[in-house]
Amino acid sequence: KAGVTQTPRYLIKTRGQQVTLSCSPISGHRSVSWYQQTPGQGLQFLFEYFSETQRNKGNFPGRFSGRQFSNSRSEMNVSTLELGDSALYLCASALAGPYEQYFGPGTRLTVT
Amino acid sequence: AQSVTQLDSHVSVSEGTPVLLRCNYSSSYSPSLFWYVQHPNKGLQLLLKYTSAATLVKGINGFEAEFKKSETSFHLTKPSAHMSDAAEYFCVVSDFEGGSQGNLIFGKGTKLSVKP
Repeated sequence: KAGVTQTPRYLIKTRGQQVTLSCSPISGHRSVSWYQQTPGQGLQFLFEYFSETQRNKGNFPGRFSGRQFSNSRSEMNVSTLELGDSALYLCASALAGPYEQYFGPGTRLTVT
Repeated sequence: AQSVTQLDSHVSVSEGTPVLLRCNYSSSYSPSLFWYVQHPNKGLQLLLKYTSAATLVKGINGFEAEFKKSETSFHLTKPSAHMSDAAEYFCVVSDFEGGSQGNLIFGKGTKLSVKP
């Protein structure tokens, strides 16, 4: 069974631009979560989608948004990029409880 | 609110010696606890999980962890370190409050170095 895939793997953007990251979960998984990983703040939860509905949201500004499609694929969008948005963005999928998540390799975003 | 504290940011051991990575948690509920490992430039891999069954949990690659409610700890151990164990390890608690599967709270991570 294929694992979680994320595209693109690397991105370089300029301040003020917007970016869209994509995540394809493991087949059959309906829950997709997004995390931001930085050296200073560590791993932080962004949001989680289940059956196309956002179920949980972390403490991030509204510039960070996401959505999930009927095939469970998910996208994350960051608008008006700031230098501090440079990070590794990880996507994780889950089938059902008990909260076992499988992570993709991440998208490395660099904002210049 | 749930939280997790990894007591060491960096642990260094010699190959063949035991590994101990310490984790304390705070939870209002009966928590689910996990250990994940992240090798350089890779995503996170689940090592093991505790979900209120047996308190001693065995994971992959010879790792195990013991849930101790009285000490609010979930330390990760391995009897004999291997060079390939060098990585960053994250202790994680799952936030049940929202009834969702998605809210994992990560510790700051412990970087494990293994000397030959």
